[in-house]
Amino acid sequence: DAGITQSPRYKITETGRQVTLMCHQTWSHSYMFWYRQDLGHGLRLIYYSAAADITDKGEVPDGYVVSRSKTENFPLTLESATRSQTSVYFCASRRFLTSGRREKGTDTQYFGPGTRLTVL
Amino acid sequence: KQEVTQIPAALSVPEGENLVLNCSFTDSAIYNLQWFRQDPGKGLTSLLLIQSSQREQTSGRLNASLDKSSGRSTLYIAASQPGDSATYLCAVDAGNMLTFGGGTRLMVKP
Repeated sequence: DAGITQSPRYKITETGRQVTLMCHQTWSHSYMFWYRQDLGHGLRLIYYSAAADITDKGEVPDGYVVSRSKTENFPLTLESATRSQTSVYFCASRRFLTSGRREKGTDTQYFGPGTRLTVL
Repeated sequence: KQEVTQIPAALSVPEGENLVLNCSFTDSAIYNLQWFRQDPGKGLTSLLLIQSSQREQTSGRLNASLDKSSGRSTLYIAASQPGDSATYLCAVDAGNMLTFGGGTRLMVKP
């Protein structure tokens, strides 16, 4: 079934370890996003990508690395996990719109089911 | 920096009531405002998207309004049902980034 998937759904790791969260979408959407959701902070953007090989920082990028070698995949890597990175991580995607349609605001983001990460 | 606030943070109502969820934002330079639903342990599902040039959108029992000049949006749920129990999030799109409110946790009691 087409859509956006994330793996793993649950992950427990230790401080200092590297961990990679995977995101895959089957729509060929140009844009992909990574958010984290924390009590008291809501959802915050970590990184986003406008196309393959194009990435940019969001609100809370420190401690994270992303890459996008293929349109359908957007992995998020925590190079050295810290306890403050315990969170629920959501991946999202959005199609590219021409500037005219973009200014009409006719797009929405489609979210994956999330990955619950615990850093001990 | 855009800030989005949702009031109330939690709401418990008996089945059948009509209810209003509120969302306010500080910067009116937005492309659109979206309302999402999030069930426990699940991702976000888009409910309604209001373009910046629109005043409201409707989908079934849901109606969302947007007053960009005052930085406010409301989500109206008619004849609430227990299946409406979830967290409702509003988000504003000012470019490539959605800024979310903290959400309203809704419980509809049978």
